[in-house]
Amino acid sequence: AQSVTQPDIHITVSEGASLELRCNYSYGATPYLFWYVQSPGQGLQLLLKYFSGDTLVQGIKGFEAEFKRSQSSFNLRKPSVHWSDAAEYFCAVGDDFGNEKLTFGTGTRLTIIP
Amino acid sequence: DVKVTQSSRYLVKRTGEKVFLECVQDMDHENMFWYRQDPGLGLRLIYFSYDVKMKEKGDIPEGYSVSREKKERFSLILESASTNQTSMYLCASTTNYGYTFGSGTRLTVV
Repeated sequence: AQSVTQPDIHITVSEGASLELRCNYSYGATPYLFWYVQSPGQGLQLLLKYFSGDTLVQGIKGFEAEFKRSQSSFNLRKPSVHWSDAAEYFCAVGDDFGNEKLTFGTGTRLTIIP
Repeated sequence: DVKVTQSSRYLVKRTGEKVFLECVQDMDHENMFWYRQDPGLGLRLIYFSYDVKMKEKGDIPEGYSVSREKKERFSLILESASTNQTSMYLCASTTNYGYTFGSGTRLTVV
């Protein structure tokens, strides 16, 4: 069964600084990979996804992620964070276009300081 | 826009009650899911359904059941609510991994 690890429970970053959130997955074949964001009191919003092809994926709100098969990683990056990026971020993996199940990581809470 | 509507935003129920959480989607999606979200645990899959009257257990189905009598409606049932089922419950529907989540039901069991 697939699994997802987000090793950082909480990250604090200064506004304007760069950001990298880590995600490692466990899956035998090429997985489908996702990053979601959940702002306080809000629902889950898809930031970006990787199915195949170019390993650097661009998403919404200036985020990008890079799929590295050799490291089983799909880290999320942003060159300059804004106060509005404070939220919880979830990495997820899917394995099958038939049932479309997602397995989520435990999340990383991002705090932005002025 | 695809809409996934969960009937209640907040619910408070007593231990031992039978609880129904309702979810309706308006985009004719085949696949629907129930997840629960707990701090530090992320989202965990309870049950999913890939067609009317079809259901499969997810990772944590114990204490739950589901019903899907119509394509647009997927209900989560807590047969006998317990305090350890206090959580945020999220419904989702999808096609081609285009997930749409509902806004969630925060259930408190006292």
